[in-house]
Parts: sequence; structure tokens; C-alpha cells
Amino acid sequence: EIVLTQSPGTLSLSPGEGVTLSCRASQRVRSNYLAWYQQKPGQAPRLLIYGASYRATGIPDRFSGSGSGTDFTLTISRLEPDDFRVYYCQQYGSPPYTFGQGTKLEIK
Amino acid sequence: EVQLVESGGGVVRPGGSLRLSCAASGFTFDDYGMSWVRQGPGKGLEWVSNINWNGGSTGYADSVKGRFTISRDNAKNSLYLQMNSLRAEDTAFYFCARGTVVGDYWGQGTLVTVSS
Repeated sequence: EIVLTQSPGTLSLSPGEGVTLSCRASQRVRSNYLAWYQQKPGQAPRLLIYGASYRATGIPDRFSGSGSGTDFTLTISRLEPDDFRVYYCQQYGSPPYTFGQGTKLEIK
Repeated sequence: EVQLVESGGGVVRPGGSLRLSCAASGFTFDDYGMSWVRQGPGKGLEWVSNINWNGGSTGYADSVKGRFTISRDNAKNSLYLQMNSLRAEDTAFYFCARGTVVGDYWGQGTLVTVSS
């Protein structure tokens, strides 16, 4: 099973700032099959990025993904108030399709 | 508009059973594989099971293998999860998602609580 470790656990930032979230895999993610989701507590996750760097339908270009192998990042530029949520990475290259433990963005 | 609506959650005793349903609309259901993902209270996401477009291929997390069964009825645009031998650690919100490995649309979830 591939273990995904996200860092940091929580980030305190201000609207307008930019941020880069990290997701590190315990072994290589096949074909860079890595996705990022955003979730507000009590709501369904929302797909942001798939294939490490491809934005899902309707996702603004403030969100970008990069990385390969075992190290992946999600970058959000110009944070808006609605961006302060929990972000999860997921690998889907090898079953079981594991998720990271999440990074919470909170308003400073 | 794509919509996924889960139902069937509730409170059940350890060892009991529940059947979850997910009603799909707004897309051609049998063009897509589907998945179930769960989230324990205050916890992260855990992939549970998936099924291909016609039900001919299924997958399960080790934690539920042998206890849970995923199925679908394309004529009814519905996805199911039969959960048997439930344990306290199965307590979670259960989400259905469109896609076999990546969920591009998700339902709002249904809560399953396993407690004596």
C-alpha cells in the first residue's frame, strides 16, 4: 500500500497570499496518477487536479499541480476566502487508492 | 447537472448489516465506473470499493473485503453497497463518487453509525 504524507498539517495564511502544499508518497506513483481534492467540513470533496497537473472542469487557473515520482505539490495563488478548506491528495496508480491525511488552510 | 444522492445510512449494532444506495442523474450512468469512499468523524478519506461500468469488475479495500459488496443497476441509474458484519470502525460518512479511481463528482454522503 502506498502511504501519502501531506505537509504541513495546518497552514495559517491571509487572503491574497500564495501557498504550496506538499504530498510525498512512500513509493513511486505509477504514471503520476495523483489527484488533489478540496473539502469543506460536512461537504463532499471537490476534485481540483488529476494526473498530477491537469485541472478538473471548472477549476480556476489559480490552482496548479506539479510533481512526479514520489513528490507532488499543489500551488494556490492569490488565496480567496473560500479557499480556506482542507486539501487531500490521492494516488490512483496502485490499489488500494490511498489518500493523504490532509492539509488544513486556515485564515490568519 | 450531475447529481449523486446517497441513502440508507443509519445506526446499526456491531455485526449488523446495512445497504447503501446512490441515485445518479444528469449523466449517462452506464458510461462510468463508480466508487464508494468513506470518512470517519473528524478523519480523512478512505477509498472503500469500486465497480466498472457494467459491474463486471470490482475492487475492495482490505478493511472491507469479504464483508462489503458493491453492485449497480444501470436500468435504475443506481449504485449500491451491501455492508455485512459491521464493526465500530466502519462508522463514517459514506460518499459515492463518479469514477473508478478518481471521483470527479461526489454525493453529499450518508452517515453510518455502528454502535451497541
